[in-house]
Amino acid sequence: TQLLEQSPQFLSIQEGENLTVYCNSSSVFSSLQWYRQEPGEGPVLLVTVVTGGEVKKLKRLTFQFGDARKDSSLHITAAQPGDTGLYLCARVQGAQKLVFGQGTRLTINP
Amino acid sequence: DTEVTQTPKHLVMGMTNKKSLKCEQHMGHRAMYWYKQKAKKPPELMFVYSYEKLSINESVPSRFSPECPNSSLLNLHLHALQPEDSALYLCASSQVGWEGYTFGSGTRLTVV
Repeated sequence: TQLLEQSPQFLSIQEGENLTVYCNSSSVFSSLQWYRQEPGEGPVLLVTVVTGGEVKKLKRLTFQFGDARKDSSLHITAAQPGDTGLYLCARVQGAQKLVFGQGTRLTINP
Repeated sequence: DTEVTQTPKHLVMGMTNKKSLKCEQHMGHRAMYWYKQKAKKPPELMFVYSYEKLSINESVPSRFSPECPNSSLLNLHLHALQPEDSALYLCASSQVGWEGYTFGSGTRLTVV
């Protein structure tokens, strides 16, 4: 199993601040997905990054795939309480096995 | 319809009970999955069905028995569970070979 390491594990910041969370692996992967999970719900796919160096934006969220395709980051600008949740990076191993990192639990305080 | 629907949303069962979790999707996805998520942990894969055939079993105990009656439905039959099996059980679906997964809201299972 090729591990995905996420950091930080927990992050609590004030509304309006910026933040970055990271997803790292010692292995190269062909693509990486980011999900957000709210309490009592299933994960929701935010983005898939495929190309080394790729940057994708989703409103105030910016996702980057490392040039070597071993790492990825998620940057949130001007965080809002609605951004609170568990952020998970994930990759597909083999044909269909989606494997998640340990997650970053984000709390945005009003 | 872009949803995966799971029922029931909550389930409490005794260790001698038999119950089933149900999952349904109408997106034409031909791969369906069961995941288990314990508190403060990420989801962990249990089973994968591809074209209605079981393709991956992650060494799950036999007290969990999956079934895929057709391309839209996925069941998880539960029997003689233990309290440590209490968790959020998530169903997901995707196109075969497509990496975008759609998850249901899960069934919160408590074994007493």
